[in-house]
Order: sequence, then structure tokens, then C-alpha cells
Amino acid sequence: DAKTTQPNSMESNEEEPVHLPCNHSTISGTDYIHWYRQLPSQGPEYVIHGLTSNVNNRMASLAIAEDRKSSTLILHRATLRDAAVYYCILREGGGDKLIFGTGTRLQVFP
Amino acid sequence: ETGVTQSPTHLIKTRGQQVTLRCSSQSGHNTVSWYQQALGQGPQFIFQYYREEENGRGNFPPRFSGLQFPNYSSELNVNALELDDSALYLCASSARTGGTTDTQYFGPGTRLTVL
Repeated sequence: DAKTTQPNSMESNEEEPVHLPCNHSTISGTDYIHWYRQLPSQGPEYVIHGLTSNVNNRMASLAIAEDRKSSTLILHRATLRDAAVYYCILREGGGDKLIFGTGTRLQVFP
Repeated sequence: ETGVTQSPTHLIKTRGQQVTLRCSSQSGHNTVSWYQQALGQGPQFIFQYYREEENGRGNFPPRFSGLQFPNYSSELNVNALELDDSALYLCASSARTGGTTDTQYFGPGTRLTVL
């Protein structure tokens, strides 16, 4: 199973953009990059996913490096409700299981 | 549209007992995956059910078993509970068409404590 590397923790102030990095140097051509986040006392919540091109949705943007060995989840304006553990996951195209690492704990300060 | 629901929310058992956890999948989803999340760790894949059959399994012993019902709801059964089974158990549902599984959506989890 492909592995990802993320910083253990990051901090941000409210209303500022947040860039959460993820390294996945062993990614294969069919692996999708998925991001989930887990708020305290809740199950993981789907954020975004992509294969090669940058992706945007109402929650965030995903920027994927040209060689696909790294990616960045971008929260455009952090709010206190964005404080969570963010997981970067590689998933084989159509694969059945998500392999979670330990994620990045994001703290947001008022 | 109803999301993924799990019951019970909390459960306390003693070592050696058996437990059954339940999951109702999101409307329109036919696949259920179960994960175990120990404190401070990311979720670990236990197994997945599709069309009432196990469709992939992680590194968990046979005392972890499951069922999926015709309405796509699912159960996770754990026999001979051990202290290390204390964890948050998460259920995720998704839609599988052909050989591809779509995005997984998680329930709030069941917190199991084994004394």
C-alpha cells in the first residue's frame, strides 16, 4: 500500500489561508489522492480528491504537483470549525480500502 | 437524504465477551466498510461488504466478522473481546458500480471500551 507523509501538526489564525502538505513519493499512476478530515468526536469527513489535475470544491482546493509525488490541501479562509485532523490518503483507482496515516492536526486560533 | 448512522454510540464490555455493532448505510449506497480507530491513531481498515459478501479484508483476526443485509445495512461482530479491542469503530458507506468503489462516507462511530 502506498504511503503518505504529513507534518504532525500545523497552526493557523482565523480568516487566513492554510496550506497542508503531503508527500507521496511512491505514488503509482492509478492512485487517487484523497483528503479526509476528522473533527473531534466525529467520524472522518470527505474533503476532496484528485488524480492529476488541481481540483476545487466548496470546502477546499487540492493542488497536485506535476510529478504527483506531493500535493497540498488549501483551505482558503480558515475558521475555528476547520480545526481537525487532516488525512492525506492514496487510494488505488476503484480500490476498496482507505489507508490512513496519523494525519496533520490543524489548530486554528481566533 | 439520510447519512450513515451507527448504533450504539457507546458500549462497555468485559474481556472475553462478544459484541455486535450496527451500521445503516447512506441512501443509494450498496457497500459498507468497517474501520477500527485506536486513540491517537488513524482508522485501520477491517473489511468491506458488497452484495452481502466480504469484499476485502485488512489485517484483523477471524474473531472480527461481519454481515451485510439485503437493505445494505451491516453488522460488525467481535468475539472473545480483548483489552486492545477498545477503540472507535467506524462504518463507511459507498456506491460500487462495476469494479469501482466511489467515495466513502463515514458514520459517527461506536466507542467500545473493554474492561
